[in-house]
Amino acid sequence: DTGVSQDPRHKITKRGQNVTFRCDPISEHNRLYWYRQTLGQGPEFLTYFQNEAQLEKSRLLSDRFSAERPKGSFSTLEIQRTEQGDSAMYLCASSEGQGGEKLFFGSGTQLSVL
Amino acid sequence: GENVEQHPSTLSVQEGDSAVIKCTYSDSASNYFPWYKQELGKGPQLIIDIRSNVGEKKDQRIAVTLNKTAKHFSLHITETQPEDSAVYFCAASNRNRDDKIIFGKGTRLHILP
Repeated sequence: DTGVSQDPRHKITKRGQNVTFRCDPISEHNRLYWYRQTLGQGPEFLTYFQNEAQLEKSRLLSDRFSAERPKGSFSTLEIQRTEQGDSAMYLCASSEGQGGEKLFFGSGTQLSVL
Repeated sequence: GENVEQHPSTLSVQEGDSAVIKCTYSDSASNYFPWYKQELGKGPQLIIDIRSNVGEKKDQRIAVTLNKTAKHFSLHITETQPEDSAVYFCAASNRNRDDKIIFGKGTRLHILP
């Protein structure tokens, strides 16, 4: 097992474009989380899945953001009509079982909106 | 909701000395307190965690202490080494409510040669 994998590592886009990120969690992990991190800040919770069910979404997640985990394995995070304020590192994490503890993070996708 | 404050934001210590990072939390119901280390270009990595039924936990050169009454917890790194240079995040959550983990803003630790 190679850990949590995120793709792409970097994404540069123009304002107004749509972007999609992918996360492949550790295979036996039921929970998958998305966090956002800006420079000099800690990770901020966006949403999480228990298997394929999206159980919670942060108020940070506007209508332009949507996340899916269709088969309870990989997940995608889509941002529509990107804004400059969306520029950040988008981190995916997974954890095993029901506990939601011991998050294993991927290396993130760095988004730059020009 | 939970709010986690962390200080200092930057800390420089001489190699071999100890480093201490302190955090406070706002929700008295929080009962799980992990610490993460983030190196440049990588995601955060869990280094140690503590639950509220324990006052202290050690793992080699790393120790965490928890004061539930004061709602603060600390990370202690002894005999610091160059590879300890990184950003450290404290975090908190309520496992009984299955709450998401809330992170502090981080401490950038520099180990000076």
